[in-house]
Amino acid sequence: DVKVTQSSRYLVKRTGEKVFLECVQDMDHENMFWYRQDPGLGLRLIYFSYDVKMKEKGDIPEGYSVSREKKERFSLILESASTNQTSMYLCASSPLTISGRAYNEQFFGPGTRLTVL
Amino acid sequence: SQQGEEDPQALSIQEGENATMNCSYKTSINNLQWYRQNSGRGLVHLILIRSNEREKHSGRLRVTLDTSKKSSSLLITASRAADTASYFCATGFNFGNEKLTFGTGTRLTIIP
Repeated sequence: DVKVTQSSRYLVKRTGEKVFLECVQDMDHENMFWYRQDPGLGLRLIYFSYDVKMKEKGDIPEGYSVSREKKERFSLILESASTNQTSMYLCASSPLTISGRAYNEQFFGPGTRLTVL
Repeated sequence: SQQGEEDPQALSIQEGENATMNCSYKTSINNLQWYRQNSGRGLVHLILIRSNEREKHSGRLRVTLDTSKKSSSLLITASRAADTASYFCATGFNFGNEKLTFGTGTRLTIIP
């Protein structure tokens, strides 16, 4: 079974702190994603990565950065946490889409509920 | 921007009844997927339907896709208490574009 793990289930930080959220997958997937989930807004893509050291902005990248130094690990960084970044953060991974097949099912971690005070 | 919108936003039914959720989207897609999320947890993939398919079954799940109307439906038959969860549709685009765009979800409650 694909396993995606996130470093914390719950996290409380103070405004202005630098926050690191870690995600690790064990299925050698090329693609990794960070979403935030807020009531009434569904999942919104923050950043994704399709290879080591590669990254692309999603729909809401402002206030965030990412790092992918190893294939299995994708980190989300809040440079200076703010209260409006209080949210559920979900990491996901997927294998590379194979030409001729729709194969981009994503596998999710359990989520990190971040509260910024 | 949100691609998919689920309807209804919330649904409560008696155990044993069928539950139907709908998803509408705006642009052409390559595939459409449905995911389930139990409270406070990550999403779990349920079923994928390709743009050239009209219907797909998996156990008690039936998914339809109407690309002319840009809509999909998820039917859960003979519902169980364990089906209580939020359900999201997600749309995928072209090969080589790995992103999915998720809707806002339907909250399903099964009443024992």
